[in-house]
Amino acid sequence: NAGVTQTPKFQVLKTGQSMTLQCAQDMNHNSMYWYRQDPGMGLRLIYYSASEGTTDKGEVPNGYNVSRLNKREFSLRLESAAPSQTSVYFCASSELAVGGYTFGSGTRLTVV
Amino acid sequence: KNEVEQSPQNLTAQEGEFITINCSYSVGISALHWLQQHPGGGIVSLFMLSSGKKKHGRLIATINIQEKHSSLHITASHPRDSAVYICAVRAYGGATNKLIFGTGTLLAVQP
Repeated sequence: NAGVTQTPKFQVLKTGQSMTLQCAQDMNHNSMYWYRQDPGMGLRLIYYSASEGTTDKGEVPNGYNVSRLNKREFSLRLESAAPSQTSVYFCASSELAVGGYTFGSGTRLTVV
Repeated sequence: KNEVEQSPQNLTAQEGEFITINCSYSVGISALHWLQQHPGGGIVSLFMLSSGKKKHGRLIATINIQEKHSSLHITASHPRDSAVYICAVRAYGGATNKLIFGTGTLLAVQP
């Protein structure tokens, strides 16, 4: 089925470890996003990519980096994980002209 | 104050009841989204609105741009409707589809 695929679904890291969350979409969308979801708070934008070759910081970018590898793929990297990065991470894609959003199934990350 | 406010935060209903979830926002918008998230699950887009009303099955979404308010209605509610419902807006004039999210309404429908 067409959509947004995120991997992994679950991950436990030790403080200081690094990892990359992968995201791929097959809807030919130009824009892709990484959000984090924490209890009692709305989803917050970490980074976004309006189109292939561009990336911009969102609301909470500290401690993260991203790569828009091609039109399909947008990865999120934690260089040195901290307990404050324990969260559920969602990747999403959209097409500006149409406006609809498609979300991945989420990655539940725990940093101990 | 959050730019997107939802009410109520928590809602418990009996199966068959008519349910209303409200969303108010303080920015000018070009579109409003209603999203559904089941416990431990992913996020699914239910509606995208820029004016008027949309209906899909037992779900109805309305928006009043002048009052900066939207409602999501569920008719003949069912336990499978139990989920978090999230309102999100795209601010007017944005060059991208970045969304501003409410904190969600947790709905529990009891049989």
